[in-house]
Amino acid sequence: EAGVTQFPSHSVIEKGQTVTLRCDPISGHDNLYWYRRVMGKEIKFLLHFVKESKQDESGMPNNRFLAERTGGTYSTLKVQPAELEDSGVYFCASSPLHRGWGEQYFGPGTRLTVT
Amino acid sequence: DQQVKQNSPSLSVQEGRISILNCDYTNSMFDYFLWYKKYPAEGPTFLISISSIKDKNEDGRFTVFLNKSAKHLSLHIVPSQPGDSAVYFCAAFDSGSARQLTFGSGTQLTVLP
Repeated sequence: EAGVTQFPSHSVIEKGQTVTLRCDPISGHDNLYWYRRVMGKEIKFLLHFVKESKQDESGMPNNRFLAERTGGTYSTLKVQPAELEDSGVYFCASSPLHRGWGEQYFGPGTRLTVT
Repeated sequence: DQQVKQNSPSLSVQEGRISILNCDYTNSMFDYFLWYKKYPAEGPTFLISISSIKDKNEDGRFTVFLNKSAKHLSLHIVPSQPGDSAVYFCAAFDSGSARQLTFGSGTQLTVLP
């Protein structure tokens, strides 16, 4: 069974440009999460999808970030326009719908560098 | 305000000895605690978890201890092996409300041969 995949693995963009990150969860996993780790600090929650619906987007930093999950399958996270402080590693995770105790499966992450 | 804290950014241990990684939390609503292991350029991988109704959970060389009154948990690795060298994240989960994991900042474990 394929794990969570993310594309690209690394992106370098200039301030003011737009970047779109993609996540493909494990097949059949209805829960999809986005997290971010900045400068070696803690991994912080951004948002949570259940199928195609946004369940919780309380961690999204501002309206420059837009996440979508078309048809309840893959998800994209767009940053527009990118700022220097958006640099970090963006992780996607997925889990089955009724996994009640928190285990989530993480992708390898996308390292975003904004210059 | 960090709800999950790992106060040791790094730890070095000799191969074969015990590694003890610590984690503190502030939110009493957390009812599950997980440890994730992360190698460079990879995503975090689930290692072991514990429910708040237990005080110990063991899986092979890995044991997690939970002290609810102190809001403290620890991960013990015995014996430590060079392949255990990685960043270890403590994470907490509130099954009653928010579905996200709340992570600490991680501890880099280095096991010396």
